Amino acid sequence: DTAVSQTPKYLVTQMGNDKSIKCEQNLGHDTMYWYKQDSKKFLKIMFSYNNKELIINETVPNRFSPKSPDKAHLNLHINSLELGDSAVYFCASSPVGLTREKLFFGSGTQLSVL
Amino acid sequence: TQLLEQSPQFLSIQEGENLTVYCNSSSVFSSLQWYRQEPGEGPVLLVTVVTGGEVKKLKRLTFQFGDARKDSSLHITAAQPGDTGLYLCAGGDNYGQNFVFGPGTRLSVLP
Repeated sequence: DTAVSQTPKYLVTQMGNDKSIKCEQNLGHDTMYWYKQDSKKFLKIMFSYNNKELIINETVPNRFSPKSPDKAHLNLHINSLELGDSAVYFCASSPVGLTREKLFFGSGTQLSVL
Repeated sequence: TQLLEQSPQFLSIQEGENLTVYCNSSSVFSSLQWYRQEPGEGPVLLVTVVTGGEVKKLKRLTFQFGDARKDSSLHITAAQPGDTGLYLCAGGDNYGQNFVFGPGTRLSVLP
């Protein structure tokens, strides 16, 4: 069974569209994250949720809205997509909460905005 | 803001060679982690080092945390094509704040 699964794997869309990425973890972890990896492979945190509560919200445009219906799910909705949003988005979970040790990553969603 | 630098940025070697990659900062970290990321996949945690001067071994991989907890190295002995990937270091302070990833070293091991 996949520990952290996210869908879709690939997402190609036009500028201005709204899209969502879903993430689920079956590890029983309390904390989940969204990371963005740019074309230079630099990983940067976007959001962190602990037991459905928003803990970290980096300087991300408010077009990005995370939603956590329960502690096993953390979805990412993006409004009015822009060219600069093209990147690989990773969902992750952690058993150790705020120290962010032992991150378990999904396989990523490659978003291409045309 | 804590920053991590990694060197070299790219490394291409022949199978069987040894190599060392580095992770450096001017800041002190409570712990440092090393991840390996293969194309089309997410990073996978290899090791966490916590104590200054600590050395951990994972088969042919040897990880060392600097005495001052500002740097770390990863040494691979007799590299194999399966070691190919992006090696990322990451760390934060005692309260999990300022947790950052380095930019990575892209390793290619040629058969």
